[in-house]
Amino acid sequence: GEDVEQSLFLSVREGDSSVINCTYTDSSSTYLYWYKQEPGAGLQLLTYIFSNMDMKQDQRLTVLLNKKDKHLSLRIADTQTGDSAIYFCAESGGSYIPTFGRGTSLIVHP
Amino acid sequence: DVKVTQSSRYLVKRTGEKVFLECVQDMDHENMFWYRQDPGLGLRLIYFSYDVKMKEKGDIPEGYSVSREKKERFSLILESASTNQTSMYLCASSLPQGAYEQYFGPGTRLTVT
Repeated sequence: GEDVEQSLFLSVREGDSSVINCTYTDSSSTYLYWYKQEPGAGLQLLTYIFSNMDMKQDQRLTVLLNKKDKHLSLRIADTQTGDSAIYFCAESGGSYIPTFGRGTSLIVHP
Repeated sequence: DVKVTQSSRYLVKRTGEKVFLECVQDMDHENMFWYRQDPGLGLRLIYFSYDVKMKEKGDIPEGYSVSREKKERFSLILESASTNQTSMYLCASSLPQGAYEQYFGPGTRLTVT
């Protein structure tokens, strides 16, 4: 079945850029998503990208999609301590049931 | 502002008890979902519903059942709670069209002793 892979941890210094990577296997993916989960909370949609796009920018967030390599990344510019959270990559292959990765814990230290 | 609420943030139950977790959304969404989240395993889909009284099994339905009598409410039932059902339970809703983005509740941390 479909699979979404992402590394489990990323540690960055405050003020640096963070890049969280994700790979997926479903070649029919239509939408790809990034969700953020702060400690003790549910997931919150950060952004999504349609599969015919290769980049989307929203303030400090940049999403890059390489459809040929099935690779998605989320770049957070000027990372702050408030960005510390778990970031989930997800994809939907044309259905309303997404496949989630296991999440990347982003740790931001001073 | 869209909202998904869950009946409890924290719950402690004993082995063998019947447990009800409730989820309510105010966005008039057709689709609703129940996930469990465990460290290192990410989100796993238990059940979902695409309409009132309709339900479909997800990846890990064993030991769980669901009820959707009204569009805004989706309940998860643990018929006889076991310690391996100790977990964080997340409810979500979405529209059946568009980008299918999901809106999540705050989660219920269930401990079964």
